[in-house]
Amino acid sequence: AAGVIQSPRHLIKEKRETATLKCYPIPRHDTVYWYQQGPGQDPQFLISFYEKMQSDKGSIPDRFSAQQFSDYHSELNMSSLELGDSALYFCASSPKKGRGRFDYGYTFGSGTRLTVV
Amino acid sequence: AQKITQTQPGMFVQEKEAVTLDCTYDTSDQSYGLFWYKQPSSGEMIFLIYQGSYDEQNATEGRYSLNFQKARKSANLVISASQLGDSAMYFCAMTGMQGNMLTFGGGTRLMVKP
Repeated sequence: AAGVIQSPRHLIKEKRETATLKCYPIPRHDTVYWYQQGPGQDPQFLISFYEKMQSDKGSIPDRFSAQQFSDYHSELNMSSLELGDSALYFCASSPKKGRGRFDYGYTFGSGTRLTVV
Repeated sequence: AQKITQTQPGMFVQEKEAVTLDCTYDTSDQSYGLFWYKQPSSGEMIFLIYQGSYDEQNATEGRYSLNFQKARKSANLVISASQLGDSAMYFCAMTGMQGNMLTFGGGTRLMVKP
């Protein structure tokens, strides 16, 4: 079965550089989520998109932006990178949830490990 | 706001024994979902089990079961017959009516001893 595809798997950038992370959701999943997991920490929600519109916003820095394209893939753009941005970035996707239920096939990608040096 | 608390930063269990990982949650939502994920050292997030707030039966998936006590706001994960491959970080998470995002607990690192 198709899974959530993230690219690249690993990325090394220098401080103040820009990085772009890509996410390809499961076909027919219309919602995409981005999470950031720092070393030894739990994942923190950044932002989500539903039908190409921003749906919810979490603790996403102003230096970061994201969008969802017409083919439903999403990109997370990170500018002026700082050492503290080094983390594992997860993308997840889900279909539209049914009323009153939350087990709606929420699926994570394998993550992009960003290292800022 | 939702909050997940996992009070066990690390745990050891002997191979083939059962182990319980604790999770308590706090939410003002009447309807919500609870999840457990496994994260091995390779980093991927592996879905284990789901419990809906209105589900009357405790969820089970193979060796995994969820001990759901709604009045206590707890959703403990029970792993039966532990295997060496169960050594990993385990995260409890929830979502509710405010949005589709997951809120995670701090995680429990489980180490299975041979």
